[in-house]
Amino acid sequence: NAGVTQTPKFQVLKTGQSMTLQCAQDMNHEYMSWYRQDPGMGLRLIHYSVGAGITDQGEVPNGYNVSRSTTEDFPLRLLSAAPSQTSVYFCASSYSLAGGREQYFGPGTRLTVT
Amino acid sequence: LAKTTQPISMDSYEGQEVNITCSHNNIATNDYITWYQQFPSQGPRFIIQGYKTKVTNEVASLFIPADRKSSTLSLPRVSLSDTAVYYCLVGAQQLSGGGADGLTFGKGTHLIIQP
Repeated sequence: NAGVTQTPKFQVLKTGQSMTLQCAQDMNHEYMSWYRQDPGMGLRLIHYSVGAGITDQGEVPNGYNVSRSTTEDFPLRLLSAAPSQTSVYFCASSYSLAGGREQYFGPGTRLTVT
Repeated sequence: LAKTTQPISMDSYEGQEVNITCSHNNIATNDYITWYQQFPSQGPRFIIQGYKTKVTNEVASLFIPADRKSSTLSLPRVSLSDTAVYYCLVGAQQLSGGGADGLTFGKGTHLIIQP
């Protein structure tokens, strides 16, 4: 299993540009989520999904959109990038009830908005 | 949401046992306690999870008193490679629609191990 994969690893955007951060998992996990981590800070939840077709907002959802059309994929869209969105983005997935709350994280995408 | 409080940083030395305590006074009956480890430039990695008393795996032990208002992650005989940030999360075992319990990471505890 590849686990949780994220692309790209690094990205530089200009203010106002849009882009999609990709996240995929091959573990058939129901739950997927996106976090951002700023320097010296913990992770903050952006959006999460409890299954295909179901998404909900986390702590810091403004400026980001998500969709979950398949179990495997959970892309994060930045509609109009702002310098405040410069951060490292992590995608995570986890089992359903039987597996508890152990989350598996991807390697992250480092985004810089100039 | 059960809020957690951890020390911002801790120092120790190689070969010592390290205990990191997390306070969660508002823990709910069906909440579990989960700890993660994060190295620089990597995503967090699951360490251990428990509900009450003591849980032990090959990496760490988790001690939870009867009132469950706190928990202690114990790392036996630490090495330099244990230098990392450790996060304590509290939330229900099952996610349900509209619930983000257990998905909120605080700032964690930065553990520094010295030779």
